[in-house]
Amino acid sequence: AQSVTQPDIHITVSEGASLELRCNYSYGATPYLFWYVQSPGQGLQLLLKYFSGDTLVQGIKGFEAEFKRSQSSFNLRKPSVHWSDAAEYFCAVGATSNTGKLIFGQGTTLQVKP
Amino acid sequence: GAGVSQTPSNKVTEKGKYVELRCDPISGHTALYWYRQSLGQGPEFLIYFQGTGAADDSGLPNDRFFAVRPEGSVSTLKIQRTERGDSAVYLCASRGSGANVLTFGAGSRLTVL
Repeated sequence: AQSVTQPDIHITVSEGASLELRCNYSYGATPYLFWYVQSPGQGLQLLLKYFSGDTLVQGIKGFEAEFKRSQSSFNLRKPSVHWSDAAEYFCAVGATSNTGKLIFGQGTTLQVKP
Repeated sequence: GAGVSQTPSNKVTEKGKYVELRCDPISGHTALYWYRQSLGQGPEFLIYFQGTGAADDSGLPNDRFFAVRPEGSVSTLKIQRTERGDSAVYLCASRGSGANVLTFGAGSRLTVL
């Protein structure tokens, strides 16, 4: 069955520290992969996406993610976290036939300490 | 409009009542999606419209849930005989033709007492 797993439900990092949020997926074909961020009361905002090509993708707000097919992973990274990055982060996989029909992970809540 | 608009932003109702949630997608976007996000969970797909027709309704949990998009723009998600388990944030998203990413609205938070 297709699924997305985000192993860390809650992560706390200090401001200025580096960040890595983990995402593992199970999907029969080559997936389309996404990271979204959700702030309280806000809709989901797309951070970045991977469809094909270079496995290291750059997104908005200084985020990047690396697709590793051998590990079925698509981890999100940021070298230096800002307090405004505190939010909930969702990894999602989409079908190539319908990229809007997404399977989301459970989400990781990021807390940033001053 | 500039973004995906959802109304109401909050709805509190009593068990057994009927509820309608509205989504106004980005102008010109032909594809429209509904998702449901329960507390502490990621969004779950409900239904997808391409134009006026429901192209995929495989995520609707049961026949109490129904959605329409009569003119290919605004969509309404309808929930009959609401249950406490229907409490969630209902998210709408739209996608333009040829695009591969969704733009989400802020959601409608439904609370069933």
